[in-house]
Amino acid sequence: GAVVSQHPSWVICKSGTSVKIECRSLDFQATTMFWYRQFPKQSLMLMATSNEGSKATYEQGVEKDKFLINHASLTLSTLTVTSAHPEDSSFYICSARIGANEKLFFGSGTQLSVL
Amino acid sequence: SQKIEQNSEALNIQEGKTATLTCNYTNYSPAYLQWYRQDPGRGPVFLLLIRENEKEKRKERLKVTFDTTLKQSLFHITASQPADSATYLCALVSSSNTGKLIFGQGTTLQVKP
Repeated sequence: GAVVSQHPSWVICKSGTSVKIECRSLDFQATTMFWYRQFPKQSLMLMATSNEGSKATYEQGVEKDKFLINHASLTLSTLTVTSAHPEDSSFYICSARIGANEKLFFGSGTQLSVL
Repeated sequence: SQKIEQNSEALNIQEGKTATLTCNYTNYSPAYLQWYRQDPGRGPVFLLLIRENEKEKRKERLKVTFDTTLKQSLFHITASQPADSATYLCALVSSSNTGKLIFGQGTTLQVKP
């Protein structure tokens, strides 16, 4: 099956620093990737849709200048949390779709803790 | 407003019994609905997809039903095992144009031996 690799799996950083999370599709090309965040015991909240070669589409309420998304190739999308603050601490998960296939393949997630 | 609701209370059942999880939605007209499994600290894993013109779908011990009149999907695990313990998420596409999946909050299933 399709594999989505997400790195790092966890990161601890100081308030004010930036953190980059990578999401790679290992054995397929992903035209579209989705970034979600999840708080404990809550649902996955869609943050943005990342399209290869174009600007990401952000959901309402998500600051695009704070959560920078780059989808430079068909196998790599990155999410950079800029000037992180403790309220940005969360579980971030990327996902990818193969062509028009409806199901999503998820990465293993990144637990971000901002001190 | 649009809502996807799953029972937020954990479901505890005995091994061997059938687990039934519910997903209700409001103000959506999804072409299909999906179910995912999520283990703690991991990303969700796709289980089943059921389309609006399908009433039932099966895969091994899993069965999903989709009632577009009731706006409800039921997810069944028969002959449940402790290894089935996880959080199960239903998801539907908010728009056929974008393919964006919107998730319910999930129901945690605990199967006791």
